[in-house]
Amino acid sequence: QVQLQESGPGLVKPSQTLSLTCTVSGGSISSGSYYWSWIRQPAGKGLEWIGRIYTSGSTNYNPSLKSRVTISVDTSKNQFSLKLSSVTAADTAVYYCARTHPGGGSDYWGQGTLVTVSS
Amino acid sequence: EIVLTQSPGTLSLSPGERATLSCRASQSVSSSYLAWYQQKPGQAPRLLIYGASSRATGIPDRFSGSGSGTDFTLTISRLEPEDFAVYYCQQYGSSPPKLTFGGGTKVEIK
Repeated sequence: QVQLQESGPGLVKPSQTLSLTCTVSGGSISSGSYYWSWIRQPAGKGLEWIGRIYTSGSTNYNPSLKSRVTISVDTSKNQFSLKLSSVTAADTAVYYCARTHPGGGSDYWGQGTLVTVSS
Repeated sequence: EIVLTQSPGTLSLSPGERATLSCRASQSVSSSYLAWYQQKPGQAPRLLIYGASSRATGIPDRFSGSGSGTDFTLTISRLEPEDFAVYYCQQYGSSPPKLTFGGGTKVEIK
């Protein structure tokens, strides 16, 4: 059973960089034809896709966030990571990592981690 | 850019009733790339349907998806108490590669 777990600071100051890591267990991040995604959800609002990475290192980002987002993968640690720069209060949300099929469906999700942007 | 509009925003039904949720795309999308999720408070979304009509692993057969082009539907044939939640549709577009979610439909107990 594949499991994903987000980790990282729960509080980030405005203008700084948000950094999160997703650790995958129960299977190799390199096996199968999967993408590994980051998705976020502000409190009481809907879901927003941030971006995804293939194990080859190929990435796709949401155009609305592209200038601030970097997603990377470390296959040796079975992890992938998110960096979001120049954060503002609008970036406060629950951040999820997920395994995503090429067709877009995400079948395994982390439990989510709340990141608050505040001074 | 494709926009997904879900309706209604809230659906008030009783257990045992049939729920019909709509997802309308601003332009035609491939059925292969249309998915539905269920989300309960404090939980991550759960994949229900992919490819517009294929149930994900472990999803009860009371959940079914249909549609093509710009109009897609999620149907819950008989609502169980655990089905009261928020439902999202999502599509994958390839030019540029992007996943887009609808705004969600809340199914609440009447």
